[in-house]
Amino acid sequence: GENVEQHPSTLSVQEGDSAVIKCTYSDSASNYFPWYKQELGKRPQLIIDIRSNVGEKKDQRIAVTLNKTAKHFSLHITETQPEDSAVYFCAADSSFGNEKLTFGTGTRLTIIP
Amino acid sequence: GAVVSQHPSRVICKSGTSVKIECRSLDFQATTMFWYRQFPKKSLMLMATSNEGSKATYEQGVEKDKFLINHASLTLSTLTVTSAHPEDSSFYICSARDSHSGNTEAFFGQGTRLTVV
Repeated sequence: GENVEQHPSTLSVQEGDSAVIKCTYSDSASNYFPWYKQELGKRPQLIIDIRSNVGEKKDQRIAVTLNKTAKHFSLHITETQPEDSAVYFCAADSSFGNEKLTFGTGTRLTIIP
Repeated sequence: GAVVSQHPSRVICKSGTSVKIECRSLDFQATTMFWYRQFPKKSLMLMATSNEGSKATYEQGVEKDKFLINHASLTLSTLTVTSAHPEDSSFYICSARDSHSGNTEAFFGQGTRLTVV
């Protein structure tokens, strides 16, 4: 089955700086890679996603890049703000087409004012 | 956007009793729903895939007789923790995708914090 690894587990950056979180996956047939943000005690919320036919996608301060050959994808947050502090999870879908997502281990991002 | 509602949000039960958690898709249909367990400061661990009208598919190591899943309609899946023990205390969360729209986004319920005393 799919295995998703995520790094780093914790990340602290100064407000205004950029943050980068990286994930690798094992199943070369996976073709959908979402990123979720989870604030303390709340449900995960989708912040951006990318499909395998695209190498990069951007939405305001958030961008995701995908390297299918290397089987890794990254989340980039620019001009970080205190409200960006949360736990971020990457995920990859199953190649069996049953909508199943395998999640990374999460990154706790702290923005230092 | 689409909404997934999970109930209850918190429950405390005695050891040996059973607890039922409901997961509803409010404005879309979902032939498949997913149940996760999340330990403090940990990732979302998939427990099982709930399939409408058929048996759930459990992940390796998850006891199907302990975590009963029923997906009787296209908008409702239930997880029953049977004969609960303190080690079952955790945050349980469900997710669903709209089966008919082609939207790939998975929507999560608000989660249920189960405490077994």
